[in-house]
Amino acid sequence: DAGVIQSPRHEVTEMGQEVTLRCKPISGHNSLFWYRQTMMRGLELLIYFNNNVPIDDSGMPEDRFSAKMPNASFSTLKIQPSEPRDSAVYFCASSLVGGIQETQYFGPGTRLLVL
Amino acid sequence: DQQVKQNSPSLSVQEGRISILNCDYTNSMFDYFLWYKKYPAEGPTFLISISSIKDKNEDGRFTVFLNKSAKHLSLHIVPSQPGDSAVYFCAANGGSEKLVFGKGTKLTVNP
Repeated sequence: DAGVIQSPRHEVTEMGQEVTLRCKPISGHNSLFWYRQTMMRGLELLIYFNNNVPIDDSGMPEDRFSAKMPNASFSTLKIQPSEPRDSAVYFCASSLVGGIQETQYFGPGTRLLVL
Repeated sequence: DQQVKQNSPSLSVQEGRISILNCDYTNSMFDYFLWYKKYPAEGPTFLISISSIKDKNEDGRFTVFLNKSAKHLSLHIVPSQPGDSAVYFCAANGGSEKLVFGKGTKLTVNP
């Protein structure tokens, strides 16, 4: 079984450039989550989708961040324009929502460095 | 305001001994708790969970204890092995799909 797939695994870009992170959730899962991990703030939820619909984007830091899920097997997180403080590891996770309690399965992450 | 706290950033134990990782939470609406394990350059992987209707859940060498009155949970690893060296995250859920994570405890198991 393929797990959650994220690309790219590493991204180095210059301030002001657009960055697009990609995620393919586990087949059959109906919820998808984007997290950011930093030393200062730990693992924080940015946004999550259920059945391709954004449910809660309260964690998105500002308008420079946007996320889409055009279908059940693909999601993107875009940062435009990028800033050095966006440097972090970004994780995508998916789960199967059947009740209240579900386990989220994480991808390997994208390590972003904005110079 | 941190709703899930792991107050020990790191823990070091000898191989074969018990590792105890602690987690405190403040939100009384949380009713499901999980532990994730993370190796460098990998995503967190699910380890074990516990519902608030239980006070203990065991899976092989891993046991999670929940003390609802104290809003405290702990993960016990017995016996500890060098391969258990990783960062352990505590997470909590309260009736929605959102998980709230602690900042993690780095466990080092020395041979």
